[in-house]
Amino acid sequence: EAQVTQNPRYLITVTGKKLTVTCSQNMNHEYMSWYRQDPGLGLRQIYYSMNVEVTDKGDVPEGYKVSRKEKRNFPLILESPSPNQTSLYFCASSISRGGNSNQPQHFGDGTRLSIL
Amino acid sequence: GENVEQHPSTLSVQEGDSAVIKCTYSDSASNYFPWYKQELGKRPQLIIDIRSNVGEKKDQRIAVTLNKTAKHFSLHITETQPEDSAVYFCAASETHDAGGTSYGKLTFGQGTILTVHP
Repeated sequence: EAQVTQNPRYLITVTGKKLTVTCSQNMNHEYMSWYRQDPGLGLRQIYYSMNVEVTDKGDVPEGYKVSRKEKRNFPLILESPSPNQTSLYFCASSISRGGNSNQPQHFGDGTRLSIL
Repeated sequence: GENVEQHPSTLSVQEGDSAVIKCTYSDSASNYFPWYKQELGKRPQLIIDIRSNVGEKKDQRIAVTLNKTAKHFSLHITETQPEDSAVYFCAASETHDAGGTSYGKLTFGQGTILTVHP
């Protein structure tokens, strides 16, 4: 089954304790992205990756890191989490091809992070 | 960068009525406009999308219209049903091409909570 898998689904932790949220897709998609969802603000892009070893900042990258060592995985790293990073996080992926074409993004089930 | 405004923030309709959600965007280079439906506690799921080379697209009870000149696009749901109740997000994206690879940076609207009353 084609899917984007995030882990963990829920996490409560404390300020300053490093954490990683994993994201894996089995569709051989080149493009992967992380969003955070907050009430009244919609989904805001944190980081995205066009392909292996290629990452770039989205609209709200402060306090986050990512890596793309393999095509299927795109972990989100919070080196020193703070309470303002309490949010619902979504990973997404899409195929990427030349020819000036956008393709639909497939979302994971989300990770709810609470930073105390 | 792109800015997407979505209205209304909440919409309440009776079953069988139509629902319309409107979005405006700021970047004239945007050329792809998807709509996502998010049920409570679930992931956003694509329900329909439109590209800038067409003005309207329909899929059963759902339609999307695009006015490139005015930089706005709308979602129309006809004959609404209680299972249409969800949060709906519009988004806009321009395409970036680099080295033969194409990708889009999606900018989302703030979302509309649609409630369909039986």
